Amino acid sequence: DAKTTQPTSMDCAEGRAANLPCNHSTISGNEYVYWYRQIHSQGPQYIIHGLKNNETNEMASLIITEDRKSSTLILPHATLRDTAVYYCIVRVRGSNYKLTFGKGTLLTVNP
Amino acid sequence: NAGVMQNPRHLVRRRGQEARLRCSPMKGHSHVYWYRQLPEEGLKFMVYLQKENIIDESGMPKERFSAEFPKEGPSILRIQQVVRGDSAAYFCASRKMGAGYTFGSGTRLTVV
Repeated sequence: DAKTTQPTSMDCAEGRAANLPCNHSTISGNEYVYWYRQIHSQGPQYIIHGLKNNETNEMASLIITEDRKSSTLILPHATLRDTAVYYCIVRVRGSNYKLTFGKGTLLTVNP
Repeated sequence: NAGVMQNPRHLVRRRGQEARLRCSPMKGHSHVYWYRQLPEEGLKFMVYLQKENIIDESGMPKERFSAEFPKEGPSILRIQQVVRGDSAAYFCASRKMGAGYTFGSGTRLTVV
Protein backbone atom coordinates (compact mmCIF):
# COMPACT_ATOMS: atom_id res chain seq x y z
CA ASP A 1 0.00 0.00 0.00
CA ALA A 2 1.16 3.58 -0.72
CA LYS A 3 2.84 5.44 2.12
CA THR A 4 1.03 8.48 3.51
CA THR A 5 2.47 11.57 5.18
CA GLN A 6 0.51 13.63 7.68
CA PRO A 7 1.45 16.45 10.05
CA THR A 8 2.04 15.23 13.58
CA SER A 9 -0.40 17.65 15.16
CA MET A 10 -2.80 20.48 14.40
CA ASP A 11 -4.96 22.87 16.38
CA CYS A 12 -8.37 24.23 15.51
CA ALA A 13 -10.78 26.60 17.22
CA GLU A 14 -14.17 25.22 18.16
CA GLY A 15 -16.78 26.04 15.53
CA ARG A 16 -14.23 26.60 12.78
CA ALA A 17 -13.44 24.24 9.93
CA ALA A 18 -10.62 21.77 10.49
CA ASN A 19 -8.62 20.95 7.35
CA LEU A 20 -6.36 17.92 7.73
CA PRO A 21 -3.90 17.31 4.89
CA CYS A 22 -2.45 14.04 3.71
CA ASN A 23 0.20 13.36 1.08
CA HIS A 24 0.15 10.06 -0.81
CA SER A 25 2.36 10.86 -3.76
CA THR A 26 2.97 7.20 -4.70
CA ILE A 27 -0.69 6.27 -4.83
CA SER A 28 -1.72 4.08 -7.76
CA GLY A 29 -4.93 4.04 -9.74
CA ASN A 30 -6.55 1.18 -7.84
CA GLU A 31 -5.91 2.55 -4.35
CA TYR A 32 -8.58 4.19 -2.21
CA VAL A 33 -7.99 6.94 0.35
CA TYR A 34 -9.58 6.21 3.72
CA TRP A 35 -9.84 8.37 6.82
CA TYR A 36 -10.32 7.01 10.32
CA ARG A 37 -10.05 8.70 13.66
CA GLN A 38 -9.29 7.45 17.13
CA ILE A 39 -10.55 9.30 20.14
CA HIS A 40 -8.42 8.62 23.19
CA SER A 41 -8.64 5.00 24.41
CA GLN A 42 -11.40 4.10 21.95
CA GLY A 43 -11.43 1.96 18.82
CA PRO A 44 -10.87 3.69 15.49
CA GLN A 45 -13.93 5.13 13.83
CA TYR A 46 -14.48 5.21 10.08
CA ILE A 47 -15.01 8.72 8.69
CA ILE A 48 -14.99 8.66 4.92
CA HIS A 49 -13.25 7.23 1.87
CA GLY A 50 -12.84 8.01 -1.81
CA LEU A 51 -11.11 6.97 -5.00
CA LYS A 52 -10.82 10.09 -7.15
CA ASN A 53 -13.97 12.15 -6.72
CA ASN A 54 -14.62 14.42 -3.77
CA GLU A 55 -16.89 12.85 -1.18
CA THR A 56 -19.14 14.21 1.55
CA ASN A 57 -21.10 12.56 4.32
CA GLU A 58 -22.65 13.61 7.60
CA MET A 59 -19.28 13.68 9.34
CA ALA A 60 -16.86 15.25 6.87
CA SER A 61 -15.80 16.07 3.34
CA LEU A 62 -12.89 14.53 1.48
CA ILE A 63 -11.15 16.56 -1.20
CA ILE A 64 -8.76 14.60 -3.45
CA THR A 65 -6.51 16.51 -5.82
CA GLU A 66 -6.81 15.82 -9.51
CA ASP A 67 -3.47 13.99 -9.63
CA ARG A 68 -4.54 12.04 -6.50
CA LYS A 69 -1.20 12.70 -4.83
CA SER A 70 -2.78 14.41 -1.84
CA SER A 71 -6.09 14.84 -0.08
CA THR A 72 -7.70 16.95 2.62
CA LEU A 73 -10.22 15.90 5.21
CA ILE A 74 -12.53 18.74 6.18
CA LEU A 75 -14.55 18.82 9.39
CA PRO A 76 -16.82 21.80 8.65
CA HIS A 77 -17.62 22.88 12.21
CA ALA A 78 -15.20 21.30 14.65
CA THR A 79 -16.36 20.58 18.19
CA LEU A 80 -14.40 19.63 21.29
CA ARG A 81 -15.48 16.02 20.72
CA ASP A 82 -13.60 16.00 17.42
CA THR A 83 -10.29 16.05 19.30
CA ALA A 84 -8.67 12.80 18.17
CA VAL A 85 -5.89 11.25 16.12
CA TYR A 86 -6.86 11.23 12.45
CA TYR A 87 -5.42 8.57 10.19
CA CYS A 88 -5.15 8.85 6.43
CA ILE A 89 -4.81 5.37 4.90
CA VAL A 90 -4.37 4.19 1.35
CA ARG A 91 -5.75 0.76 0.55
CA VAL A 92 -5.50 -1.31 -2.59
CA ARG A 93 -8.88 -2.19 -3.99
CA GLY A 94 -9.60 -5.86 -3.35
CA SER A 95 -6.72 -6.33 -0.91
CA ASN A 96 -8.71 -8.12 1.78
CA TYR A 97 -9.37 -4.76 3.39
CA LYS A 98 -6.15 -4.88 5.40
CA LEU A 99 -5.37 -1.35 6.62
CA THR A 100 -1.91 0.08 7.29
CA PHE A 101 -2.11 2.78 9.97
CA GLY A 102 0.62 5.40 10.32
CA LYS A 103 1.12 7.81 13.20
CA GLY A 104 -1.74 10.07 12.10
CA THR A 105 -2.43 13.69 13.02
CA LEU A 106 -3.45 14.66 16.53
CA LEU A 107 -6.15 17.28 16.06
CA THR A 108 -6.83 19.35 19.14
CA VAL A 109 -9.99 21.45 19.06
CA ASN A 110 -9.72 24.37 21.46
CA PRO A 111 -12.63 26.24 23.08
CA ASN B 1 -27.97 -3.49 16.63
CA ALA B 2 -24.98 -3.99 18.88
CA GLY B 3 -21.55 -3.02 17.57
CA VAL B 4 -18.43 -5.11 17.70
CA MET B 5 -18.13 -6.45 21.22
CA GLN B 6 -14.78 -7.16 22.76
CA ASN B 7 -14.15 -8.61 26.16
CA PRO B 8 -12.68 -8.24 28.55
CA ARG B 9 -12.02 -4.50 28.32
CA HIS B 10 -9.02 -4.83 30.60
CA LEU B 11 -6.94 -7.93 31.22
CA VAL B 12 -4.00 -8.32 33.56
CA ARG B 13 -1.76 -11.35 33.25
CA ARG B 14 1.48 -12.37 34.91
CA ARG B 15 4.42 -13.24 32.71
CA GLY B 16 4.10 -16.79 31.44
CA GLN B 17 0.31 -16.96 31.68
CA GLU B 18 -2.10 -17.21 28.78
CA ALA B 19 -4.31 -14.39 27.55
CA ARG B 20 -7.56 -15.03 25.67
CA LEU B 21 -9.22 -12.08 24.00
CA ARG B 22 -12.72 -12.41 22.59
CA CYS B 23 -14.43 -10.56 19.77
CA SER B 24 -18.07 -10.87 18.74
CA PRO B 25 -18.56 -9.27 15.32
CA MET B 26 -21.59 -7.27 14.34
CA LYS B 27 -24.59 -9.28 13.26
CA GLY B 28 -24.23 -10.34 9.66
CA HIS B 29 -20.48 -9.68 9.55
CA SER B 30 -18.43 -12.68 8.55
CA HIS B 31 -15.00 -11.00 8.30
CA VAL B 32 -12.95 -10.34 11.42
CA TYR B 33 -9.63 -8.49 11.77
CA TRP B 34 -7.33 -8.15 14.75
CA TYR B 35 -5.01 -5.19 15.24
CA ARG B 36 -2.52 -4.41 17.99
CA GLN B 37 -1.62 -0.95 19.24
CA LEU B 38 1.52 -0.65 21.33
CA PRO B 39 1.78 2.38 23.63
CA GLU B 40 2.24 5.63 21.68
CA GLU B 41 2.12 3.83 18.32
CA GLY B 42 -0.34 3.32 15.51
CA LEU B 43 -2.39 0.21 14.95
CA LYS B 44 -0.67 -2.77 13.34
CA PHE B 45 -2.56 -5.45 11.44
CA MET B 46 -2.25 -8.93 12.91
CA VAL B 47 -4.70 -11.34 11.30
CA TYR B 48 -7.77 -11.54 9.08
CA LEU B 49 -10.27 -14.36 9.49
CA GLN B 50 -13.51 -15.52 7.98
CA LYS B 51 -15.68 -18.17 9.56
CA GLU B 52 -13.45 -21.20 10.29
CA ASN B 53 -10.66 -19.88 8.05
CA ILE B 54 -7.53 -17.78 8.53
CA ILE B 55 -7.20 -15.67 5.41
CA ASP B 56 -4.14 -13.56 6.21
CA GLU B 57 -1.94 -13.90 9.29
CA SER B 58 1.03 -11.99 7.94
CA GLY B 59 1.06 -9.59 10.90
CA MET B 60 0.88 -12.23 13.58
CA PRO B 61 4.05 -13.11 15.51
CA LYS B 62 5.11 -16.62 14.56
CA GLU B 63 5.23 -17.95 18.09
CA ARG B 64 2.82 -17.82 21.02
CA PHE B 65 0.02 -16.07 19.10
CA SER B 66 -2.96 -17.79 17.50
CA ALA B 67 -6.40 -16.76 16.33
CA GLU B 68 -9.60 -18.54 15.46
CA PHE B 69 -13.09 -17.67 14.30
CA PRO B 70 -15.24 -20.77 14.77
CA LYS B 71 -18.51 -21.49 13.06
CA GLU B 72 -20.33 -20.67 16.28
CA GLY B 73 -19.19 -18.14 18.85
CA PRO B 74 -16.76 -15.25 18.97
CA SER B 75 -13.34 -14.89 17.42
CA ILE B 76 -10.55 -15.61 19.90
CA LEU B 77 -7.05 -14.17 19.92
CA ARG B 78 -4.86 -16.32 22.13
CA ILE B 79 -1.46 -15.34 23.47
CA GLN B 80 0.47 -18.05 25.25
CA GLN B 81 3.25 -17.45 27.79
CA VAL B 82 2.77 -13.70 27.74
CA VAL B 83 5.75 -11.36 28.11
CA ARG B 84 5.88 -7.68 29.07
CA GLY B 85 6.21 -6.70 25.41
CA ASP B 86 2.74 -8.10 24.74
CA SER B 87 1.21 -5.29 26.80
CA ALA B 88 -0.89 -3.34 24.33
CA ALA B 89 -4.40 -2.54 23.22
CA TYR B 90 -5.85 -5.21 20.96
CA PHE B 91 -8.62 -4.12 18.63
CA CYS B 92 -10.99 -6.28 16.67
CA ALA B 93 -12.89 -5.07 13.62
CA SER B 94 -15.58 -6.73 11.57
CA ARG B 95 -17.19 -6.10 8.23
CA LYS B 96 -19.56 -7.71 5.81
CA MET B 97 -18.81 -8.34 2.15
CA GLY B 98 -18.29 -5.13 0.22
CA ALA B 99 -18.48 -2.78 3.22
CA GLY B 100 -16.01 -1.07 5.54
CA TYR B 101 -14.85 -1.82 9.05
CA THR B 102 -16.46 -1.34 12.40
CA PHE B 103 -14.00 -1.50 15.28
CA GLY B 104 -14.64 -2.64 18.80
CA SER B 105 -13.55 -0.74 21.89
CA GLY B 106 -10.51 -2.93 22.39
CA THR B 107 -8.95 -5.05 25.12
CA ARG B 108 -6.13 -3.50 27.11
CA LEU B 109 -3.69 -6.23 28.06
CA THR B 110 -1.22 -5.52 30.83
CA VAL B 111 1.47 -8.07 31.58
CA VAL B 112 3.01 -7.76 35.03
